[in-house]
Amino acid sequence: ETGVTQSPTHLIKTRGQQVTLRCSSQSGHNTVSWYQQALGQGPQFIFQYYREEENGRGNFPPRFSGLQFPNYSSELNVNALELDDSALYLCASSLPRDTEAFFGQGTRLTVV
Amino acid sequence: KNEVEQSPQNLTAQEGEFITINCSYSVGISALHWLQQHPGGGIVSLFMLSSGKKKHGRLIATINIQEKHSSLHITASHPRDSAVYICAVPRGGAQKLVFGQGTRLTINP
Repeated sequence: ETGVTQSPTHLIKTRGQQVTLRCSSQSGHNTVSWYQQALGQGPQFIFQYYREEENGRGNFPPRFSGLQFPNYSSELNVNALELDDSALYLCASSLPRDTEAFFGQGTRLTVV
Repeated sequence: KNEVEQSPQNLTAQEGEFITINCSYSVGISALHWLQQHPGGGIVSLFMLSSGKKKHGRLIATINIQEKHSSLHITASHPRDSAVYICAVPRGGAQKLVFGQGTRLTINP
């Protein structure tokens, strides 16, 4: 067990709705990265937060947004859900330099 | 062409066989990660290496920085090793990982 927990584990939403996914970091880790993994694909980088500030973003539209809190936990928000947003969403916590990343179990989002 | 390429995409073997999964990347990196993903979805970090070789139990990872190539080996494979194995490299910051497409390994008893 990595110490990174995500909630919820599974979620079904309707197209057009909004969703918030949560990630609790490993103790002491101030960097959180979010990834989207579509079925049969490798994870794709969404964005990273370091000390409550966005620290880099992948090729995702603005309706994907995030927050990091003083305790380093994080949220991923997706507005105006589309069917293609159906995926496994993974968060990974780490220290900011070249260190091991610890992944949560993921949240499986289904948009219908 | 993806920055990180893995081969093979699928691998089926018998219990006890020696397994090799390959990863090639096209960019300069400071380290490479090998990860394991089971059907439930969660990802476990197996290795992070920047040179040479690392060993953990029956798993061995090697990297050749000059050739931009890494391999993950499993000795005496077991059905519980069945999973997707993914290599990933950091881009634009230490933990902004770019992933390979994964290798689905199935070990039959």
